[in-house]
Amino acid sequence: QVQLQESGPGLVKPSQTLSLTCTVSGGSISSGGYYWSWIRQHPGKGLEWIGYIYYSGSTYYNPSLKSRVTISVDTSKNQFSLKLSSVTAADTAVYYCARNPDSSSPNFDYWGQGTLVTVSS
Amino acid sequence: QSVLTQPPSASGTPGQRVTISCSGSSSNIGSNYVYWYQQLPGTAPKLLIYRNNQRPSGVPDRFSGSKSGTSASLAISGLRSEDEADYYCAAWDDSLSAHVVFGGGTKLTVL
Repeated sequence: QVQLQESGPGLVKPSQTLSLTCTVSGGSISSGGYYWSWIRQHPGKGLEWIGYIYYSGSTYYNPSLKSRVTISVDTSKNQFSLKLSSVTAADTAVYYCARNPDSSSPNFDYWGQGTLVTVSS
Repeated sequence: QSVLTQPPSASGTPGQRVTISCSGSSSNIGSNYVYWYQQLPGTAPKLLIYRNNQRPSGVPDRFSGSKSGTSASLAISGLRSEDEADYYCAAWDDSLSAHVVFGGGTKLTVL
């Protein structure tokens, strides 16, 4: 059974960089065949896809966030990470990591529990 | 403003059949599969329907999905109290800036 777990600071100051890590267990990122995504949900709002990474390191980002987003992978630790720069209060959200068997679809079959990140001074 | 349009709320009584609509355009629903997610309070979304009408293992057959043109629907039959949740549709959008798009979500209340 694949499990994903997000970790990282719950509070980030405005203009700083938000950094989160997703640890995958029950399956190996380096086995390939899956795309590893970050998705966020603003408080009381809907879902927003941030982007994904493949085990090889290739990435694809939501165009609306592309200029501020970096997703990286560490196959030795079976982890992938999110960095979002120049954050503002509008980036306050629950951040989820998820697994996707397809590159061009919202087919997220496993999700982490989510972690709330608040942007505030 | 979400790219896919869903009604903000829906309701039904136990045993009823309810449907939730999702409206898009030719660049998303019109040319790609639709996916549906169920989000129970305080939990992560769960994949409910994939590729328009397929159910992952473990999802009851009370849940069904359909698509026609640029719109899609999620139907829940034999409504149960535990179905009270938020439901989201999603699709890939093939516009110039291709990416995943979600609906704004529908809050289902079981009366």
